[in-house]
Amino acid sequence: DAKTTQPTSMDCAEGRAANLPCNHSTISGNEYVYWYRQIHSQGPQYIIHGLKNNETNEMASLIITEDRKSSTLILPHATLRDTAVYYCIVRLPFYSGGGADGLTFGKGTHLIIQP
Amino acid sequence: NAGVTQTPKFQVLKTGQSMTLQCAQDMNHEYMSWYRQDPGMGLRLIHYSVGAGITDQGEVPNGYNVSRSTTEDFPLRLLSAAPSQTSVYFCASSTLSRGTYNEQFFGPGTRLTVL
Repeated sequence: DAKTTQPTSMDCAEGRAANLPCNHSTISGNEYVYWYRQIHSQGPQYIIHGLKNNETNEMASLIITEDRKSSTLILPHATLRDTAVYYCIVRLPFYSGGGADGLTFGKGTHLIIQP
Repeated sequence: NAGVTQTPKFQVLKTGQSMTLQCAQDMNHEYMSWYRQDPGMGLRLIHYSVGAGITDQGEVPNGYNVSRSTTEDFPLRLLSAAPSQTSVYFCASSTLSRGTYNEQFFGPGTRLTVL
């Protein structure tokens, strides 16, 4: 069973905030939430990760609900270069048995930024 | 910093041939890993390493060997290539802090075709 559920695709206007939801209702207490994206045929690119607090970096913000069963990635001012497939992943810490548990990408959300 | 580099970018092999995919990083990352990505699919972890001299198997290790003699290099060897190993191979590296994976940096990938 997939650990995360994401919409298949989303559109967003250039310059607006893109809000990408992710459902991870079976997340365990010590699993982190990671977001990566992949632009066609390139290597995946890390965006952000968090455990339970909201996080922000120069690329995006991550909002995790209090019960940790869902999260939202926010790209504050989307540009055409943000068109990509976005993956939400939950993952155990390495020393909690997450060593052989690689980055498991599901189907992801294909985000299309419209000019 | 060059980040994570991979060579070659493209390779065509005949069934039964062997080859080594090279991966190097100049960020002094202790954690390195190899993934394969088949068309329309997510990543699958092949092997990983948490430091020089330490390697372990991921989800799909059969047919592949790795070694880690230095912090910088993590080559992946295909022992006897098979058509099922046709894929895009990504190398990634990151630090580990308090047992948590930090930002993983991915290389540009090697596109391998086995005839």
